[in-house]
Amino acid sequence: QITLKESGPTLVKPTQTLTLTCTFSGFSLSTSGVAVGWIRQPPGKALEWLALIYWDDDKRYSPSLKSRLTITKDTSKNQVVLTMTNMDPVDTATYYCAHRHPLNAFDFWGQGTMVTVSS
Amino acid sequence: EIVLTQSPGTLSLSPGERATLSCRASQSVSSSYLAWYQQKPGQAPRLLIYGASSRATGIPDRFSGSGSGTDFTLTISRLEPEDFVVYYCQQYGSSLRYTFGQGTKLEIK
Repeated sequence: QITLKESGPTLVKPTQTLTLTCTFSGFSLSTSGVAVGWIRQPPGKALEWLALIYWDDDKRYSPSLKSRLTITKDTSKNQVVLTMTNMDPVDTATYYCAHRHPLNAFDFWGQGTMVTVSS
Repeated sequence: EIVLTQSPGTLSLSPGERATLSCRASQSVSSSYLAWYQQKPGQAPRLLIYGASSRATGIPDRFSGSGSGTDFTLTISRLEPEDFVVYYCQQYGSSLRYTFGQGTKLEIK
């Protein structure tokens, strides 16, 4: 049974760096083909893909946010960490991590964590 | 970057009716990499369809997907009350990036 859960601060100030952790179970990020992604959703708006990390440590980023994002993994802890620098109020959103299906969909999602950016 | 445009933005139908949701891509998308999700209020999205037409585990057969190239469709054959929520399409492209559509809200008429 695959489960994922996001954790991190609920409130950050503008210009600060956000660090979110995805802790998962039911699969290993050392297994060939496995990947975990991050997706966010501002209140009342659409989903936006942010980043993805593969079992072999290859990484992909949203072109519009690439300069601000870093995704890493800790295979021993079954965790994926996303950092986003220079946070702005427009980054207020629910942030989800998700397991990547072999055909590049996202088949298992965490419950999401709401992050508000405000001074 | 491939842009996905979903239409209509809002679809008003009655339970028991058939729903047809559209997802149009700005460039050709591999059918293998087109997915549909359902999102209920306050919940994470749920994968409905992957590979344009394959139902995910546990998804009722009233949900079906079709299409190729730049035009894809999600069809719900007979609407149940719990189907009146928001639906998103998503693609993975040659740029090795993912994009989502802006969503279609299905509301009770």
